[in-house]
Amino acid sequence: AAGVIQSPRHLIKEKRETATLKCYPIPRHDTVYWYQQGPGQDPQFLISFYEKMQSDKGSIPDRFSAQQFSDYHSELNMSSLELGDSALYFCASSLRLAGGEQFFGPGTRLTVL
Amino acid sequence: GQQVMQIPQYQHVQEGEDFTTYCNSSTTLSNIQWYKQRPGGHPVFLIQLVKSGEVKKQKRLTFQFGEAKKNSSLHITATQTTDVGTYFCAYNQGGKLIFGQGTELSVKP
Repeated sequence: AAGVIQSPRHLIKEKRETATLKCYPIPRHDTVYWYQQGPGQDPQFLISFYEKMQSDKGSIPDRFSAQQFSDYHSELNMSSLELGDSALYFCASSLRLAGGEQFFGPGTRLTVL
Repeated sequence: GQQVMQIPQYQHVQEGEDFTTYCNSSTTLSNIQWYKQRPGGHPVFLIQLVKSGEVKKQKRLTFQFGEAKKNSSLHITATQTTDVGTYFCAYNQGGKLIFGQGTELSVKP
């Protein structure tokens, strides 16, 4: 069965640079979520989209923005990167009417030097 | 905001021993989910509980939701090395997941 796809899997950036993370949800899933997981931490909700519209926002810095495109893929754009942005970034998708289960992608490991 | 507290943070067991992780909230939860994250992996959904006093089993795993819907537990009977990973409880708040801190389980063969 198709899973959530994220690219790239690893990304190394310098401070103050920009990064773009991509997520391709499971086909026919209508909701996409972004989470940030620091080392040894639990995943923290950043932002979500339902049918290409932003549906909820969590602790997402103003330097970050995200959108969902007509083909349902989503991108997380991160500017003016800081050392503290180094983390695993997970995208998850779900079918809203199917209940609460979220399917997570393999994640993008971002390292800011 | 809604928070879920999870204990213990770490648990080291000998293979064959049982393991339990607990999740607590100061307020009533409409649901609780459990996820497993293997080392270097991503969270994988295990189960969702929504009813007061609900108990669900998956092979050696037993999940409980408290009568007051303020606590939940995951119990693994006779652990195996394949059970290694971090177990998270999570509350689904209008779509977004609020995770507990997780319990990291290590199993010594």
